[in-house]
Amino acid sequence: GEDVEQSLFLSVREGDSSVINCTYTDSSSTYLYWYKQEPGAGLQLLTYIFSNMDMKQDQRLTVLLNKKDKHLSLRIADTQTGDSAIYFCAVASSNTGKLIFGQGTTLQVKP
Amino acid sequence: DAGITQSPRHKVTETGTPVTLRCHQTENHRYMYWYRQDPGHGLRLIHYSYGVKDTDKGEVSDGYSVSRSKTEDFLLTLESATSSQTSVYFCAISESRQPTSDTQYFGPGTRLTVL
Repeated sequence: GEDVEQSLFLSVREGDSSVINCTYTDSSSTYLYWYKQEPGAGLQLLTYIFSNMDMKQDQRLTVLLNKKDKHLSLRIADTQTGDSAIYFCAVASSNTGKLIFGQGTTLQVKP
Repeated sequence: DAGITQSPRHKVTETGTPVTLRCHQTENHRYMYWYRQDPGHGLRLIHYSYGVKDTDKGEVSDGYSVSRSKTEDFLLTLESATSSQTSVYFCAISESRQPTSDTQYFGPGTRLTVL
């Protein structure tokens, strides 16, 4: 079945850039999403990219998609302590329309 | 924020007891989902609904049942709770089954502990 993989933990200094990576197996996925989960809260949609795009920028967020390698990344510029959270990559299955989630990457931002 | 509430937000129960979690939406979205979140597993789909009285299984449906008698409410029932069902449960809603830029919106979650 479809699979989505993420590294589990990333630690950066405040002001640095953060890059969170994700790989997936379903090459026919149409939409790919990044969600943010703050402690004790639900998932909040951060951004998405459509499969015919290579890059999407939204303020401090940049999403890069490499379809050949099935690799998705989220770059957060000028990372702030408020960015500390768990970030989930999710891929929409072209077969079922369902979302397949990665395990989540915990981002720790040190002052 | 999408109008999704979950109740209860926290529950502690004992093995073998029945438990029902409720998801309520005010967005009139057709599709509703139940996920569980466990460390190292991300979110896994338990069941979903594509309309009133229309439901289907997800990848981890064993031990769970669901019901949807009204558009706005989606209930998740653990008939006889087990310790392996200790988890955080999230409800989500979406307008369309097909992936879109709008995708799914999530509730605040219910933390369930089965002793």
